[in-house]
Amino acid sequence: DIVVTQSPDSLPVNPGEPASISCRSSQSLLHRNGQYYLDWYLQKPGQSPQVLIYMGSNRAPGVPDRFSGSGAGTDFTLKISRVEAEDVGVYYCMQTLQTRTFGQGTKVEIK
Amino acid sequence: QVRLQESGPGLVKPSETLSLTCTVSGDSISRYYWSWIRQPPGKGLEWVGYIYYTGSTNYNPSLGSRVALSLDTSKNQFSLQLRSVTAADTAVYYCAKLNPVPVPASSYYYHYLDVWGKGTTVAVSS
Repeated sequence: DIVVTQSPDSLPVNPGEPASISCRSSQSLLHRNGQYYLDWYLQKPGQSPQVLIYMGSNRAPGVPDRFSGSGAGTDFTLKISRVEAEDVGVYYCMQTLQTRTFGQGTKVEIK
Repeated sequence: QVRLQESGPGLVKPSETLSLTCTVSGDSISRYYWSWIRQPPGKGLEWVGYIYYTGSTNYNPSLGSRVALSLDTSKNQFSLQLRSVTAADTAVYYCAKLNPVPVPASSYYYHYLDVWGKGTTVAVSS
């Protein structure tokens, strides 16, 4: 089974500042089609999760361009260029190469 | 616009079977993959499984043979059954739609969770 580990567990940020979340998998998420099989989701307080990034670096429709995904092999990063108050919540990465496995989550809060 | 609504008992006794239904509106169930995800109280997300309209399924290995997904195209619904439940199965259960996108320069499609229900809380307790 592929294990997915996020860091940090908690991330206090100032509004307007950048933020970065790391996601590491126990094996490469590179599919034979050349794409990386990893998504990022945000669960805002009291809400269902919503997709931000799919296939490693593709922003889902309607997602602000301050969110970006990158990475290769086993190491992936979600970056928020300028954090806004509405970005608070728990961020999850999820590998989709072998069934699906979520990371443990990273809680982003405003300082 | 696709909408999903979970329904089912909020309380299940230990060793019994948890049964939930997700009703899909706004599109046909016969076009996509459909998934269940759960979230124990105060914890993270756990993928349960997915089903295609053909009946093809894929489950979280950690749930073993306890889990089964099914669908009813006539009602535009899909369902989750989890047998022999324990307190560890207490969670908010979400149903979700998997959206297909073509993978560039290939014949593959990639699927991500693009529409989620609001979730339904299930407690396992005697």
